[in-house]
Amino acid sequence: DAGVIQSPRHEVTEMGQEVTLRCKPISGHDYLFWYRQTMMRGLELLIYFNNNVPIDDSGMPEDRFSAKMPNASFSTLKIQPSEPRDSAVYFCASSFGGPSNQPQHFGDGTRLSIL
Amino acid sequence: GESVGLHLPTLSVQEGDNSIINCAYSNSASDYFIWYKQESGKGPQFIIDIRSNMDKRQGQRVTVLLNKTVKHLSLQIAATQPGDSAVYFCAETNAGKSTFGDGTTLTVKP
Repeated sequence: DAGVIQSPRHEVTEMGQEVTLRCKPISGHDYLFWYRQTMMRGLELLIYFNNNVPIDDSGMPEDRFSAKMPNASFSTLKIQPSEPRDSAVYFCASSFGGPSNQPQHFGDGTRLSIL
Repeated sequence: GESVGLHLPTLSVQEGDNSIINCAYSNSASDYFIWYKQESGKGPQFIIDIRSNMDKRQGQRVTVLLNKTVKHLSLQIAATQPGDSAVYFCAETNAGKSTFGDGTTLTVKP
């Protein structure tokens, strides 16, 4: 069975550039989550969707970050303009059922480096 | 604020021994707890979960114990194998939001 698929696996870009991270959740899952992982702050929830609708975006750092889910099989996380402090591993996860009831299935992440 | 913390950042065990990884949580209203395993270069992988109306749950070689009185969660791994070497995270969920702990690195010595 295909798991959560993220692309690209690695991204290196210069500060000021736009970065777009992509995620394909597991088919049939109705929740999608975006996380950021750093050594300093650990794993942080940025935003999550239920049935393609954003439910909680309180973890999105600032207006430079935006996330969309145009359909049940695709989501993007965009950073514009990017800054060196955005360097981290970004994970997408999905679940069938909400975070109060079901574990999440994570992709292998996008390692983002902003120079 | 809410936080989930681990007592020990690293744990080293001999192959074949049992491992115990501990986690303290701060929100007594949390009602769902999950243990994840993360290997290098991979995303967290679900191991086992437990709801707040239980105090113990067993899986294959793993057991999770929940002590709500002291807000403590533990993961026990029986007969630890080299493939168990990874970072282990606990997560607590309250009001639909999950918070992850800092992680414990488990190293299994052959």
